[in-house]
Amino acid sequence: DTGVSQDPRHKITKRGQNVTFRCDPISEHNRLYWYRQTLGQGPEFLTYFQNEAQLEKSRLLSDRFSAERPKGSFSTLEIQRTEQGDSAMYLCASSLGGQGASYGYTFGSGTRLTVV
Amino acid sequence: EDKVVQSPLSLVVHEGDTVTLNCSYEVTNFRSLLWYKQEKKAPTFLFMLTSSGIEKKSGRLSSILDKKELSSILNITATQTGDSAIYLCAPFGNEKLTFGTGTRLTIIP
Repeated sequence: DTGVSQDPRHKITKRGQNVTFRCDPISEHNRLYWYRQTLGQGPEFLTYFQNEAQLEKSRLLSDRFSAERPKGSFSTLEIQRTEQGDSAMYLCASSLGGQGASYGYTFGSGTRLTVV
Repeated sequence: EDKVVQSPLSLVVHEGDTVTLNCSYEVTNFRSLLWYKQEKKAPTFLFMLTSSGIEKKSGRLSSILDKKELSSILNITATQTGDSAIYLCAPFGNEKLTFGTGTRLTIIP
């Protein structure tokens, strides 16, 4: 499979628990993006990496959220002390990018998080 | 702050009709504009537009960018029930895509 993979596909967790999601990008893509999408809205940018460097974080990303891409390949997004407002679809995308351009921007199938 | 407005928010038409979806944007360091189709899962890529006035076409779908007016349209001719989806417009600027809320298109058989 040469697409963007996300795991798990669905996650139900109790409020206050920590959760971690994984994203495996297309192998030759150097950029990896995380987005969050709630019902009736378009995806909202959270953060992105170029190789292993996290280059931008949205103001939406509170201190409870952390993302890593340790070797410039897969990435993890962790949410600590989950709240009901964190319930959303978390989308990962990868692309080949640099110098203001980006190609082949491809999304994974997403992880749907439900906080109960 | 970057901004993307899509209209209409929702559209219901009969199979065989032609539809036009609109997108206007304000994005710093604009480089390109992408259109996506989203059904129940992740957005799937339709078009990437970088030059003004050049129509891109794929089957019954076509799209064009107007950099002067900071807008783009997506046309779908001879609509089919399989075209029912949310259509998302996303300009690329400042190294990332910014999405609109989308247009929900429903095709009635």
